Amino acid sequence: QKEVEQDPGPLSVPEGAIVSLNCTYSNSAFQYFMWYRQYSRKGPELLMYTYSSGNKEDGRFTAQVDKSSKYISLFIRDSQPSDSATYLCAMNELDDKIIFGKGTRLHILP
Amino acid sequence: EAGVTQFPSHSVIEKGQTVTLRCDPISGHDNLYWYRRVMGKEIKFLLHFVKESKQDESGMPNNRFLAERTGGTYSTLKVQPAELEDSGVYFCASSQVRGSGNTIYFGEGSWLTVV
Repeated sequence: QKEVEQDPGPLSVPEGAIVSLNCTYSNSAFQYFMWYRQYSRKGPELLMYTYSSGNKEDGRFTAQVDKSSKYISLFIRDSQPSDSATYLCAMNELDDKIIFGKGTRLHILP
Repeated sequence: EAGVTQFPSHSVIEKGQTVTLRCDPISGHDNLYWYRRVMGKEIKFLLHFVKESKQDESGMPNNRFLAERTGGTYSTLKVQPAELEDSGVYFCASSQVRGSGNTIYFGEGSWLTVV
């Protein structure tokens, strides 16, 4: 079983829709949960970061962590064409090694 | 402030040749990381430097890969001899603070194709 599972998509939604992205994981020792956004031919860019369980909101983005279910989500409200990218979930324990999901390719259709 | 810089951005080499990738971290960042993504797989950790010392090299795939960070500034990752399965994108990242993912900044990657 992979440590982090993420549906690679692609996921296509119309502009203005709410986008829901999610990952499951198997390692209960993970403490830090992150979402990275990666545009084509660019490096990953940190979008959201959450420590342990709970919700975190930043503008149109909301990250949720449910450690009991080993499930994390990223919601994007009022999606824009500029949100089209690959979204990577990532997590780590109390160390520096980040474990990534494969990434979900998201297309926002104008 | 300049971000993490990687060179070359793209490289095509033949199987058996040697390639050296370079990474310049953000100024003042003691922590430097190498990650890579091969086709169809997730981004995977290779190793972590704290200044010039290797803190964790558990992700290095085999002894064909050699990473150095002389003087604790820039780092190089050498692949010798390159194999077809080494093709992918190699990301360098740096951070000022250890122990969490929120302060790690990634470069744009060095895209390696081995033919």
